[in-house]
Amino acid sequence: DAGITQSPRYKITETGRQVTLMCHQTWSHSYMFWYRQDLGHGLRLIYYSAAADITDKGEVPDGYVVSRSKTENFPLTLESATRSQTSVYFCASSGTGGPLHFGNGTRLTVT
Amino acid sequence: AQSVTQLGSHVSVSEGALVLLRCNYSSSVPPYLFWYVQYPNQGLQLLLKYTSAATLVKGINGFEAEFKKSETSFHLTKPSAHMSDAAEYFCAVSEDPNSGGSNYKLTFGKGTLLTVNP
Repeated sequence: DAGITQSPRYKITETGRQVTLMCHQTWSHSYMFWYRQDLGHGLRLIYYSAAADITDKGEVPDGYVVSRSKTENFPLTLESATRSQTSVYFCASSGTGGPLHFGNGTRLTVT
Repeated sequence: AQSVTQLGSHVSVSEGALVLLRCNYSSSVPPYLFWYVQYPNQGLQLLLKYTSAATLVKGINGFEAEFKKSETSFHLTKPSAHMSDAAEYFCAVSEDPNSGGSNYKLTFGKGTLLTVNP
């Protein structure tokens, strides 16, 4: 089925560990995005990508790394997780001029 | 930098009553405007979008929004609330690509939680 999938749906990790959140879309959309959602802050853009091998920082990029070697995948890595990175992470994609399509999110808890 | 303000983090209405969710934006160029809805444990879904055509935009599930440039507003309305409308609603803005902006990066408001009472 066409769509955008995120994995895992839930993740618990310890402070200092590296963790990677996966995002895969089947529409061949050019643009992909990572947002984090926190109570009282709405959604904040972490990183985005306009095409394979092209990525750029959003509003809150510190502590995160992204890559986009293939159009359909856009993994987000927390190199050394901190408690402040406990959040719900959403991946989204869009075609040129189109609306964002969101995945169902990954709920990350850093202990 | 653009910003979006949603007035009221929580709105409560009775079933059958008018729904009004407020959104104001600040933008130096005419923007594209969006309303998204989020149901529990799900991602956001597009309700409607304004892209400089008609100022009154109709969306899914009976929702509509009116773009008022003089008031920099894009309020969301529905004449009669249904229990299934209970969710969190997000207003978002992007720049108008016809004015040299980027239309694919959205700035979101903090959201308004809508509860519908029987």
